[in-house]
Amino acid sequence: KQEVTQIPAALSVPEGENLVLNCSFTDSAIYNLQWFRQDPGKGLTSLLLIQSSQREQTSGRLNASLDKSSGRSTLYIAASQPGDSATYLCALFTGANSKLTFGKGITLSVRP
Amino acid sequence: DVKVTQSSRYLVKRTGEKVFLECVQDMDHENMFWYRQDPGLGLRLIYFSYDVKMKEKGDIPEGYSVSREKKERFSLILESASTNQTSMYLCASSLQAHNYGYTFGSGTRLTVV
Repeated sequence: KQEVTQIPAALSVPEGENLVLNCSFTDSAIYNLQWFRQDPGKGLTSLLLIQSSQREQTSGRLNASLDKSSGRSTLYIAASQPGDSATYLCALFTGANSKLTFGKGITLSVRP
Repeated sequence: DVKVTQSSRYLVKRTGEKVFLECVQDMDHENMFWYRQDPGLGLRLIYFSYDVKMKEKGDIPEGYSVSREKKERFSLILESASTNQTSMYLCASSLQAHNYGYTFGSGTRLTVV
């Protein structure tokens, strides 16, 4: 059974810092991996999608990487801003039964 | 952009009521999903559907049912609401091939009193 872990559960950094959010998974046979952002009380917003054949994806200040052999993905946020404060979730699709497996998320706070 | 619209942001219902949560997507996605999200438990899949009239149980289907009469609409039904169904409910959709990932709605915060 695929398990997805995101550690730590919460992170607080000063504005301007470059940071890395980690996502680890137990089964490397994944179809794709998606990073989401969730603001308090809101739905999930897709940030980046990495196909299994890809190593990374970039969007603005965000860069997500995927290393299937080590069971790890990272979300890199450059020059963090207070507006980046949110919960970040990673989710894996393995192709079996069309279900996404989610991590529990990392709640990021960027201090002005 | 694909849009997934959930009809209500906030709902307050009484114990024992039958509750309908509606979800509509506008990009002809085959797959639709209902999740609930609770602190400490993360997102848990309730039901999903690959096509019209089709439904599959997720990880926590007890106390829920679903309806998909049209491709764009997927309804979650709480047959007899209970206080332990107080939660954030999230609807999502995707293409059958899953190549473009999942798109989520803005969520419905349901409180059962």
